[in-house]
Amino acid sequence: SQELEQSPQSLIVQEGKNLTINCTSSKTLYGLYWYKQKYGEGLIFLMMLQKGGEEKSHEKITAKLDEKKQQSSLHITASQPSHAGIYLCGADVDDKIIFGKGTRLHILP
Amino acid sequence: KAGVTQTPRYLIKTRGQQVTLSCSPISGHRSVSWYQQTPGQGLQFLFEYFSETQRNKGNFPGRFSGRQFSNSRSEMNVSTLELGDSALYLCASSFTAASNIQYFGAGTRLSVL
Repeated sequence: SQELEQSPQSLIVQEGKNLTINCTSSKTLYGLYWYKQKYGEGLIFLMMLQKGGEEKSHEKITAKLDEKKQQSSLHITASQPSHAGIYLCGADVDDKIIFGKGTRLHILP
Repeated sequence: KAGVTQTPRYLIKTRGQQVTLSCSPISGHRSVSWYQQTPGQGLQFLFEYFSETQRNKGNFPGRFSGRQFSNSRSEMNVSTLELGDSALYLCASSFTAASNIQYFGAGTRLSVL
């Protein structure tokens, strides 16, 4: 079965610094989603990537899907306290979405 | 447009009891998916309903069941609760199939004592 591995599991970053979160799949990705979750709450949709080499940006967050479609990265530029939370990647597998275990991001003021 | 609404937000039950959680999707969305989130296992897919039919199911015991009504509202039921059922239960809706972009509710936090 397909699995998604996220790294790092946890990240502490000084406000204003850049950071990258990775999502690696054991099989080819046909639809990759990035979500953000505030602690104990629902998930907020960030971006969806489908094509190898695709890159999308929203405000200071950029997500890429590599050419081989087995890895995606999420990059945050000039991090702010509002970026704190849990970032999850999800993939289309057998007509459902499976998720990685998430990366917990803390921003230090 | 109202988002996905889950009720109740918090629930405390004891072992052996049963519980019903409710989810109202975004207006016009016909697909509702349910997930269980725990610190150890992460976010795991329970099942998806589309037009009142269960379209897909995850690897959970039969104690976990659901249904969808004609107005797309969905309920999830867990019978004979176990301590391990303590989790955040999330519902998500999408316009068509579950593999499209999903919009999540705030979740129901279930604690089993």
